[in-house]
Amino acid sequence: KAGVTQTPRYLIKTRGQQVTLSCSPISGHRSVSWYQQTPGQGLQFLFEYFSETQRNKGNFPGRFSGRQFSNSRSEMNVSTLELGDSALYLCASSLRALAGRTFYNEQFFGPGTRLTVL
Amino acid sequence: GDSVTQMEGPVTLSEEAFLTINCTYTATGYPSLFWYVQYPGEGLQLLLKATKADDKGSNKGFEATYRKETTSFHLEKGSVQVSDSAVYFCALRGGGSNYKLTFGKGTLLTVNP
Repeated sequence: KAGVTQTPRYLIKTRGQQVTLSCSPISGHRSVSWYQQTPGQGLQFLFEYFSETQRNKGNFPGRFSGRQFSNSRSEMNVSTLELGDSALYLCASSLRALAGRTFYNEQFFGPGTRLTVL
Repeated sequence: GDSVTQMEGPVTLSEEAFLTINCTYTATGYPSLFWYVQYPGEGLQLLLKATKADDKGSNKGFEATYRKETTSFHLEKGSVQVSDSAVYFCALRGGGSNYKLTFGKGTLLTVNP
């Protein structure tokens, strides 16, 4: 079974630009969560999408947004990039629901997208 | 809000040494607790987990016990190998269907032959 795929793996942007990152979950998984990893702040939760709806949201400004498509693939967008947005962005997928019941089960992480803002 | 505090690294050990990485947490309710490992250039991998007090999670020789009285979930391994060199993260998840994981800052472990 293929793992979580994130594209692109590396990205360089300049301040003020916007960027879109993509995450393809494991086949059959319907939940996708996004995390930002920086040396200073560590790993911080951005948001979670399930069934094309945002279910949980972390403490990030409105410049950070996301969406999920009907095939469970997810994108996150950062507008008006700042130097402090340089980070490794990780997504994690999970089954989350089966036969109409929602539950928690293991989150599988992708390799991340390394974003550098110059 | 929820928080996780783990031992700052880096930690450097010789092969076959005993490993302990301390982790304490603050959370309301009954969180689930996890240890994740990150190898260079890779994403996070779940190492072990415990979902209720006194549960012991174990995997690949690593162990951690969920201690509610001390709000701790320390990671231990009796004999480390060079291949265990990685960054280790302690994390918690609040109850219900909340998928948010709250992570500690991570501990870099280097094991020398």
